[in-house]
Amino acid sequence: GAVVSQHPSRVICKSGTSVKIECRSLDFQATTMFWYRQFPKQSLMLMATSNEGSKATYEQGVEKDKFLINHASLTLSTLTVTSAHPEDSSFYICSAPAGGDQPQHFGDGTRLSIL
Amino acid sequence: AQKITQTQPGMFVQEKEAVTLDCTYDTSDPSYGLFWYKQPSSGEMIFLIYQGSYDQQNATEGRYSLNFQKARKSANLVISASQLGDSAMYFCAMREAFGNEKLTFGTGTRLTIIP
Repeated sequence: GAVVSQHPSRVICKSGTSVKIECRSLDFQATTMFWYRQFPKQSLMLMATSNEGSKATYEQGVEKDKFLINHASLTLSTLTVTSAHPEDSSFYICSAPAGGDQPQHFGDGTRLSIL
Repeated sequence: AQKITQTQPGMFVQEKEAVTLDCTYDTSDPSYGLFWYKQPSSGEMIFLIYQGSYDQQNATEGRYSLNFQKARKSANLVISASQLGDSAMYFCAMREAFGNEKLTFGTGTRLTIIP
């Protein structure tokens, strides 16, 4: 079964709305989680690293005031797209490393459409 | 320079034939891991196979095998006896020891299996 739960799976909303996406590790603790964005027919691009109990680390070019990340517990990270606009429409997907040689566990992704 | 390069944007393969998806990488870190993920049209990322930089043998998982050529910095995925359900996007990714667990993805290859 899924070890990382991400929801909602799909969001359609009006421009200017803020959207919160949750990423939960179900049977393990994750001090670090990653948030990726994927535009159609493109690869996954890392947006930020979410760190439990401290500030997120953003990749170059990603607006931290636009994409708010909170990692308040060892099993939950949230990404809030503030005042979303049509250009923010994309597929957002989170992952959590399991440590060692284990692969990262990915959520099922959130398809965000801003009208 | 690109850390992960996948030179085949798309491939068409007859059902039941074997297929090789190319991946080359670039890193100065002596300790790294290479991953292959499958992404069907529904969007979820499905882990297929992992190869560590110090692994002596090529990784295998069922119909998937990884042709790891360290000197050439290549990690090609081989799928044997392809099936219609193998049609999807395939991403090669690298995790570097100094990269704090984060993955760098290639641009992907869209594989289509022809009946």
